[in-house]
Amino acid sequence: KAGVTQTPRYLIKTRGQQVTLSCSPISGHRSVSWYQQTPGQGLQFLFEYFSETQRNKGNFPGRFSGRQFSNSRSEMNVSTLELGDSALYLCASSFSGQNTEAFFGQGTRLTVV
Amino acid sequence: LAKTTQPISMDSYEGQEVNITCSHNNIATNDYITWYQQFPSQGPRFIIQGYKTKVTNEVASLFIPADRKSSTLSLPRVSLSDTAVYYCLVAYNQAGTALIFGKGTTLSVSS
Repeated sequence: KAGVTQTPRYLIKTRGQQVTLSCSPISGHRSVSWYQQTPGQGLQFLFEYFSETQRNKGNFPGRFSGRQFSNSRSEMNVSTLELGDSALYLCASSFSGQNTEAFFGQGTRLTVV
Repeated sequence: LAKTTQPISMDSYEGQEVNITCSHNNIATNDYITWYQQFPSQGPRFIIQGYKTKVTNEVASLFIPADRKSSTLSLPRVSLSDTAVYYCLVAYNQAGTALIFGKGTTLSVSS
């Protein structure tokens, strides 16, 4: 079956701009989580969506937001980009999110200049 | 919120068995232990998950003692392609999943 698809794979933005990242989960999966990975901070949890509702949220500023559509596809938006937002953004999907195997996409590499 | 502690790095040779131990002293009753593997510029890949005793699949085994305060990932006969970062996670058995990743263990396999 098709895996988790994240688009775009690479993105370059300038400070102050906003960006939207997309994640298509595995068919049948209803939980989508987002993570930020940087060399200094490692993998950090952003938020999780389940059936179009945000179910968990990490400790990130309000500039980071997301949503999930009825087909379980999810988008993540970052407004007023800062240099420190440069990172690999990973999306993970799972059937229910509760102790089930999570499948990660390849990630979107965002560079803010 | 359970936190995990695991070695920063480990070295091994091809064909050897590698055991990576993770401590999670304040694990909650309903928490599961999950291990992921990550290669550079890729998303983490699920390896194995367990709650207690021993779990084995086609790639690894997971040993969890009765007190569940630690767990050991065992990789039999590693190869060069097993060079990666391995993360020990405590998954929440509550509404929603927030996978809290630690720093991970960088395993380097040499020939």
